[in-house]
Amino acid sequence: GDSVTQMEGPVTLSEEACLTINCTYTATGYPSLFWYVQYPGEGLQLLLKATKADDKGSNKGFEATYRKETTSFHLEKGSVQVSDSAVYFCALSVSDYKLSFGAGTTVTVRA
Amino acid sequence: DAGITQSPRHKVTETGTPVTLRCHQTENHRYMYWYRQDPGHGLRLIHYSYGVKDTDKGEVSDGYSVSRSKTEDFLLTLESATSSQTSVYFCAISEAVGDTQYFGPGTRLLVL
Repeated sequence: GDSVTQMEGPVTLSEEACLTINCTYTATGYPSLFWYVQYPGEGLQLLLKATKADDKGSNKGFEATYRKETTSFHLEKGSVQVSDSAVYFCALSVSDYKLSFGAGTTVTVRA
Repeated sequence: DAGITQSPRHKVTETGTPVTLRCHQTENHRYMYWYRQDPGHGLRLIHYSYGVKDTDKGEVSDGYSVSRSKTEDFLLTLESATSSQTSVYFCAISEAVGDTQYFGPGTRLLVL
């Protein structure tokens, strides 16, 4: 079946450090890929998405590139801020209703 | 932000009691979903709806039922709550199949 594997957390880093969260997927079809973010006490928000190979999604300084050859969609940010502290979820959707989520990665950024 | 509200936002109940959670949307989206969020599992789909009175099961549907009598409302019912159903429940909506899903603020349920 379709599944997503993302790196275990928690991740703790200092302000202005680089962040990378690895995400790989297994899919029977040709999926769309998503990163969602959940800030403390809130619901999930779409951070970025990509719908075909080599597409790059970007938002709020975060980027992720859809790599079909490595079945990956790693999330990156060059310089994190305290406000980026959150739980990040990688997810995929094939041509149906279902979003399959990774387990989530908790990121804490210290001033 | 997508207009999605959930009620109640917090609930404490006892084992064996029925519980109904409500999701209300103002976006007129066709698809609505109920997920539960548990540590180490991400979000898992309980049930979803693809139109008024059209619903289907997700991957963790046992012990849950849903109803959708109007486009804007999607109800999740725990017929007889158990401690294993202690979780945070999220409603989501989307305009089309495979499209971006937008999430509500969540309901935190504790079953004692």
